[in-house]
Amino acid sequence: QQQVKQSPQSLIVQKGGISIINCAYENTAFDYFPWYQQFPGKGPALLIAIRPDVSEKKEGRFTISFNKSAKQFSLHIMDSQPGDSATYFCAATRRGYGGATNKLIFGTGTLLAVQP
Amino acid sequence: GAGVSQSPRYKVAKRGQDVALRCDPISGHVSLFWYQQALGQGPEFLTYFQNEAQLDKSGLPSDRFFAERPEGSVSTLKIQRTQQEDSAVYLCASSFRGNRPPANTGELFFGEGSRLTVL
Repeated sequence: QQQVKQSPQSLIVQKGGISIINCAYENTAFDYFPWYQQFPGKGPALLIAIRPDVSEKKEGRFTISFNKSAKQFSLHIMDSQPGDSATYFCAATRRGYGGATNKLIFGTGTLLAVQP
Repeated sequence: GAGVSQSPRYKVAKRGQDVALRCDPISGHVSLFWYQQALGQGPEFLTYFQNEAQLDKSGLPSDRFFAERPEGSVSTLKIQRTQQEDSAVYLCASSFRGNRPPANTGELFFGEGSRLTVL
């Protein structure tokens, strides 16, 4: 499968700090880049997503930065909280007709621990 | 419930046994996906249905894996003659395919998964 490379594998951040997770993709046909959050024993849940026609998207404390020329995108979590401790996955796909979701290609995940 | 429901949540099988995993998608969701998530890894695509049609099964690792969605709602993933390397969490996700917001966001809603352990 076309790869999405994610780093770091794990991350420890102090409460109130900034968590940064990076991803890189290969397929220039990808046009939808979501981030998923997964807690132990649960399925992944959509956190925030971006399309390549914008360079940044912000929702609350979560921001995606997107660099189309470098084929890279990153997730920034501002004012990180212990409740943010989870595994984060970046993903990419090429959308289908009418914006329908095609199969997502996931990164390998980043285990985030926010220390109180 | 309103979410994607999967059963069983946990399954232990002896090597060589057949297993069946069930997924109840969100009502009205047209698209249904199966993913395999090994320990410490990201979900890996297995197969995709639009209504009852299996449009993509390129991720199924072998012919021991079979999925169906005969009436376009509930789906079953069947694994025959299980092997130890089949041990993983099997995630089901559904999505509503539409032409107007918010349906066309294409967001995938995941279930909590079925954890399969093959001894």
